[in-house]
Amino acid sequence: GENVEQHPSTLSVQEGDSAVIKCTYSDSASNYFPWYKQELGKRPQLIIDIRSNVGEKKDQRIAVTLNKTAKHFSLHITETQPEDSAVYFCAASKAGTASKLTFGTGTRLQVTL
Amino acid sequence: DGGITQSPKYLFRKEGQNVTLSCEQNLNHDAMYWYRQDPGQGLRLIYYSQIVNDFQKGDIAEGYSVSREKKESFPLTVTSAQKNPTAFYLCASSARQGAGELFFGEGSRLTVL
Repeated sequence: GENVEQHPSTLSVQEGDSAVIKCTYSDSASNYFPWYKQELGKRPQLIIDIRSNVGEKKDQRIAVTLNKTAKHFSLHITETQPEDSAVYFCAASKAGTASKLTFGTGTRLQVTL
Repeated sequence: DGGITQSPKYLFRKEGQNVTLSCEQNLNHDAMYWYRQDPGQGLRLIYYSQIVNDFQKGDIAEGYSVSREKKESFPLTVTSAQKNPTAFYLCASSARQGAGELFFGEGSRLTVL
């Protein structure tokens, strides 16, 4: 089955700096890669996703890049703010698998003032 | 107000007892899922259901059971056969099969005494 590895497990940045979280996956058939944000005590929520026919996708301060050859994808947050502090999860799945996502182990991002 | 409701939020159980976690959604979603969240291990899929009266095992189904008698409801029973049941349990739903956004409930924290 699919295996998703996520690094780093914790990340501390100063407000205004950029943060990068990286994930690798094992199944070359995977073609959907979402990122979820879980604030302390709250439910995970989708923040951005990318499909395998696209190499990069941006949404304001958040971007995701995908390298299918190397089987890795990354989340980039620019101009970080305190409200970006949360746990971020990457995930991967194949189309037709009913969103049977395999999640990474999570990255705890702390944005300090 | 549409969404996913999980109950109870906190639950304590003695060893050897079965316990059932409730998950109800009013989003008219076909697919529903149960994930287990442990520190440092991300989200692991327990069971999922694509349609009423049908469900499949996820990656860690041993010691758990589910039913899907109604589209809106997907209860999870943690049986006494589950060797390490203390965890945070998240229910989710999605609108369609294949790659799609998961909408999560607020979770249920089970503690076995």
